Amino acid sequence: GAVVSQHPSWVICKSGTSVKIECRSLDFQATTMFWYRQFPKQSLMLMATSNEGSKATYEQGVEKDKFLINHASLTLSTLTVTSAHPEDSSFYICSARDTRGLSYEQYFGPGTRLTVT
Amino acid sequence: QKEVEQDPGPLSVPEGAIVSLNCTYSNSAFQYFMWYRQYSRKGPELLMYTYSSGNKEDGRFTAQVDKSSKYISLFIRDSQPSDSATYLCAMRGLEGGGNKLTFGTGTQLKVEL
Repeated sequence: GAVVSQHPSWVICKSGTSVKIECRSLDFQATTMFWYRQFPKQSLMLMATSNEGSKATYEQGVEKDKFLINHASLTLSTLTVTSAHPEDSSFYICSARDTRGLSYEQYFGPGTRLTVT
Repeated sequence: QKEVEQDPGPLSVPEGAIVSLNCTYSNSAFQYFMWYRQYSRKGPELLMYTYSSGNKEDGRFTAQVDKSSKYISLFIRDSQPSDSATYLCAMRGLEGGGNKLTFGTGTQLKVEL
């Protein structure tokens, strides 16, 4: 159990275009999902916390108008990178909290590699 | 100073060796400590989860937490080539409802035949 999927696994887009990444919890409901970004040889940096049915909470320094997050259901959250630029190229990973028990544990998706040319 | 410090490695060991991975931290509010394994181009996989100080064992893996020293460790016994990956420590307190994880940079481990 506790499987999280992401789609697409990798994407290449041109500078100035927008890209949408999906994160799904496959076998559990997740009222809270998280979006991270990971640059090569660096750690995961939390970008935002996504709560089902409400606005996302963004970490300091993350532009909410550039990284649009929607969490419309208990199993799906989306991250849209708007007007992408080469510096947005990174590995984007989502995670989800299983709300069935008292566990606060986060289960991670396989990640999406974004390359902006 | 980073909240969580972790030696990035790479660490290379022969098959069968005991591996010791460590993290130090500065935030005394951290209460929950985790170790994740991340293979190249994949998402992190939870290996061990501990609360407060003490030891926890699961198969070949043992996690230790020493809150007085703000130091956590992961030991891998009888290491295998399949253990080759990046190991990330992560920790959290109760900030933000206990949601926010703070990660180390990860230690790259290579177990050689």
